[in-house]
Amino acid sequence: KNEVEQSPQNLTAQEGEFITINCSYSVGISALHWLQQHPGGGIVSLFMLSSGKKKHGRLIATINIQEKHSSLHITASHPRDSAVYICAVRPLLKLVFGQGTRLTINP
Amino acid sequence: NAGVTQTPKFQVLKTGQSMTLQCAQDMNHNSMYWYRQDPGMGLRLIYYSASEGTTDKGEVPNGYNVSRLNKREFSLRLESAAPSQTSVYFCASTAPNTGELFFGEGSRLTVL
Repeated sequence: KNEVEQSPQNLTAQEGEFITINCSYSVGISALHWLQQHPGGGIVSLFMLSSGKKKHGRLIATINIQEKHSSLHITASHPRDSAVYICAVRPLLKLVFGQGTRLTINP
Repeated sequence: NAGVTQTPKFQVLKTGQSMTLQCAQDMNHNSMYWYRQDPGMGLRLIYYSASEGTTDKGEVPNGYNVSRLNKREFSLRLESAAPSQTSVYFCASTAPNTGELFFGEGSRLTVL
């Protein structure tokens, strides 16, 4: 079993829909990261969380440390949100990555 | 402020050839990392450096060497490239106070 599991692996939705991507992990962590990677592109950090909730524009990230679970939400989704979203956890110095969720938003 | 810069962006090698991937960051970060990204595998850590002059192995270090000669630069060397090293390589660094991650744009390597 992977230390970091993301679901779903693939998600297709219509423009405007509310999107939720989940990340569960099995180790104790000091922080959790959500990353975004556009096709053929680099990787951009969206959020770093150690507790609670963070919001940036239409993106919201939450974490429940007790349940070892985090969610990334996208409100009013747009085709430009189409990307792979990666969850990564930091047990100590090194990061452990999920396999990513491929999101496609159709116009 | 360029962030994390990787070169080259694309490279094709023949089996047995050697090459070095260069990475530099201008944010005065201590920690730097080299990852490889393969389809269905996610990002895997090759080597990391917690500070200038120190390096440690990650999950998949075989076939690679690294060098952290100064705080700014962290290079990854393939001494004798193999087709299994065909991948996209990412360099990253972390901000010391916030832990925020910064990635380079990636280097796509093909070994024939």
